[in-house]
Amino acid sequence: IAGITQAPTSQILAAGRRMTLRCTQDMRHNAMYWYRQDLGLGLRLIHYSNTAGTTGKGEVPDGYSVSRANTDDFPLTLASAVPSQTSVYFCASSDSVDFNTGELFFGEGSRLTVL
Amino acid sequence: GQNIDQPTEMTATEGAIVQINCTYQTSGFNGLFWYQQHAGEAPTFLSYNVLDGLEEKGRFSSFLSRSKGYSYLLLKELQMKDSASYLCALMDSNYQLIWGAGTKLIIKP
Repeated sequence: IAGITQAPTSQILAAGRRMTLRCTQDMRHNAMYWYRQDLGLGLRLIHYSNTAGTTGKGEVPDGYSVSRANTDDFPLTLASAVPSQTSVYFCASSDSVDFNTGELFFGEGSRLTVL
Repeated sequence: GQNIDQPTEMTATEGAIVQINCTYQTSGFNGLFWYQQHAGEAPTFLSYNVLDGLEEKGRFSSFLSRSKGYSYLLLKELQMKDSASYLCALMDSNYQLIWGAGTKLIIKP
């Protein structure tokens, strides 16, 4: 089934450790996004990529980095995890920057706990 | 700045109708989205409004008034499986989505 795959689904991490969340899509979508979702808050954009080879900063980029070497993969790296990065992380994609089909496709999420 | 407001929680009865409101303030507008998110799962797309008026899709309808900065999601013939959070999201002038915190809908038998 076509879609977005995230890994790991859940992870407990010691503060100060490096962690990469993986995201792969097989829909050949140009645009990809990383969001974090925290209780009582809306989804917040961390980083995005409008096309392979380009990335941009979202609303809450500090402490995170991304790369987009090809169309399918968009990993998110926490260089040195801190407890405030405990959250559920969602990767998403769309077939165009302006959402002209109106739809954003989400992965199943990665629940990260930083102790 | 930009701001989106929606109720935190609503309760409704199976078989009934419920309206979930979303108000927003923005300097640029490129559409209003509604997503459904069951607990522990990913959000899934429900509707997209860019022009004023009502869009109907089966049991779900979404309404937009750009002049009032207002949208609602109408759910008819409620089923237990409709228990979920409903997320309102605004697309701004830079084609970035600004998300509301979501409305948790509880359906009672």
